[in-house]
Amino acid sequence: QVQLVESGGGLVKPGGSLRLSCAASGFTFSDYYMNWVRQSPGKGLEWVAYITRNGETIYYADSVGGRFTVSRDNAKNSLYLQMNTLRVEDTAVYFCARSMYYYDSSAIDYWGQGTLVTVSS
Amino acid sequence: QSVLTQPPSVSAAPGQKVTISCSGSSFNIGNNYVSWYQQIPGTAPKLLIYDNNKRPSGIPDRFSGSKSGTSGTLGITGLQPGDEADYYCGSWDSSLSAGVFGGGTKLTVL
Repeated sequence: QVQLVESGGGLVKPGGSLRLSCAASGFTFSDYYMNWVRQSPGKGLEWVAYITRNGETIYYADSVGGRFTVSRDNAKNSLYLQMNTLRVEDTAVYFCARSMYYYDSSAIDYWGQGTLVTVSS
Repeated sequence: QSVLTQPPSVSAAPGQKVTISCSGSSFNIGNNYVSWYQQIPGTAPKLLIYDNNKRPSGIPDRFSGSKSGTSGTLGITGLQPGDEADYYCGSWDSSLSAGVFGGGTKLTVL
């Protein structure tokens, strides 16, 4: 069965950096677009970024562009999110999520359980 | 402020029907697919509807989706206590080149 397992969350000071990882299994990872979606405590879902199958195209939300970098290693079935210059407002649970199809408005059909990132001094 | 607009809350009695609206623009819902997600607090979201009105396998036909112009609607019939959750719509915004979600709607089954 499809599994997405995030890791790398934790407590970091404002201005600091963190790298999240997502280990995928149960499907052919290289066949799918992948996303990061976050949810601040008590708030709604916020799409962060997506990367196409070979990493040739990447889109970011305006709120993270220039600070966050998404990448993937298809040989390791892994997705990454490098987060730099972190702000208090980046505090959230970060979900790794798979796009269902190969187009921009594709739904997300599988989600990981999320990893909590807390940015605080 | 979310790009897609949903009512903050809806409620209905068990067995009844409820609809949740999602309003957008020509840049998102008007020219892209809408999807719907259910999230029970403390858990990951679950896909209910994709491509405006299609249900993934395993989703009961009590859940339905539709789209008209720049708005999407989620319908739930035969409400059950287990349907109490937060519901989110999602789409793609072609002007932002970004995924977008609604602010979420909390469903209470009275």
